[in-house]
Amino acid sequence: AQTVTQSQPEMSVQEAETVTLSCTYDTSENNYYLFWYKQPPSRQMILVIRQEAYKQQNATENRFSVNFQKAAKSFSLKISDSQLGDTAMYFCAFRGRETSGSRLTFGEGTQLTVNP
Amino acid sequence: NAGVTQTPKFQVLKTGQSMTLQCAQDMNHNSMYWYRQDPGMGLRLIYYSASEGTTDKGEVPNGYNVSRLNKREFSLRLESAAPSQTSVYFCASSPPVPNTEAFFGQGTRLTVV
Repeated sequence: AQTVTQSQPEMSVQEAETVTLSCTYDTSENNYYLFWYKQPPSRQMILVIRQEAYKQQNATENRFSVNFQKAAKSFSLKISDSQLGDTAMYFCAFRGRETSGSRLTFGEGTQLTVNP
Repeated sequence: NAGVTQTPKFQVLKTGQSMTLQCAQDMNHNSMYWYRQDPGMGLRLIYYSASEGTTDKGEVPNGYNVSRLNKREFSLRLESAAPSQTSVYFCASSPPVPNTEAFFGQGTRLTVV
């Protein structure tokens, strides 16, 4: 079974600064997909960024980028130029290519607060 | 675009009562899921349905039943609610391609007293 671990329950950052959220995972699969989801106070789950394990290039989406280290099974999220609207719970998630039903396995979450 | 619609948004139950959470998606997705979210534990999979007519247990299935009524609808039933089932419940759906995102409903906050 796959596991996903987020070891930082809470983090804070000043507006306009950069913050990195950590995520590690464990799997025996070679082909898989990793995601970061954002959950603001509205409870809505919003996809931030995704990474395909067979791609060596790190994914980027505007101010959001990842540092994907396949050998270390690490998938961190970097948020540049933090904005107040980035305040949310962030979840790292894993989906295996061979996993039945393509279900997502989530980490515990990191509550990020951006301070003015 | 409706996406994934969950009802109700809030519910309070007494211990021992039963209820069904409804979920429907209009994106023609094969796979549907029920998760529960508890503080410090992330989202944990209760049940999932890889396709119409099939359901499988996830990580925390005890105390729950599901029905995949058709391709659109996937309901979650609590037969005899317990305080330990106080949680936020999310329904989600996704196409069978694993590199695509899952789409989530707005969640149901359930309190069992």
